[in-house]
Amino acid sequence: EAGVTQSPTHLIKTRGQQATLRCSPISGHTSVYWYQQALGLGLQFLLWYDEGEERNRGNFPPRFSGRQFPNYSSELNVNALELEDSALYLCASRTGPQTFSYNSPLHFGNGTRLTVT
Amino acid sequence: DAKTTQPTSMDCAEGRAANLPCNHSTISGNEYVYWYRQIHSQGPQYIIHGLKNNETNEMASLIITEDRKSSTLILPHATLRDTAVYYCVLYNFNKFYFGSGTKLNVKP
Repeated sequence: EAGVTQSPTHLIKTRGQQATLRCSPISGHTSVYWYQQALGLGLQFLLWYDEGEERNRGNFPPRFSGRQFPNYSSELNVNALELEDSALYLCASRTGPQTFSYNSPLHFGNGTRLTVT
Repeated sequence: DAKTTQPTSMDCAEGRAANLPCNHSTISGNEYVYWYRQIHSQGPQYIIHGLKNNETNEMASLIITEDRKSSTLILPHATLRDTAVYYCVLYNFNKFYFGSGTKLNVKP
């Protein structure tokens, strides 16, 4: 089974530009999560999509946005890039629906390394 | 405040068991304990998860204390390829809370 795929692997942008990152979940997974991992730090939750809807977002400014398409793939957009946006952006997918008695792990891609200069 | 606390780093000799602790003293009754690891420049890899009972799979064992305030991930026979950052994660209905992780160094 193919894993979570992310593109591009690396992305270099200039401050003030926009970046678009893409994610294809594992086949059959309807939920997509996005995380930011700055160099040497842990994972910070960005966004969660399920069945095409944004279900939750982390403590990030509105210039971080995204969407989920009918085929469950997802896109993360970062507008007005700042130097501190340089990080590894990780996408993960999982099956649904989720209840207390049933939950499934996240499966991660290998990320997009965004560098803002 | 962080929901989990882990040592920053640990060393382990190759072939020996690696025991990675995690404190989660404020865990709620609905929260699961998950463990992931991240090898340099890759995405995190799922290892194991549990609610109350101890769990074992082909990768590791998870020991959760009776009061659920702490847990230990056990790699029974560590190899050099187990060198990674190990994250203790709390899950509560669609929300995953990642800790800061423990860098495990497996040495020959």
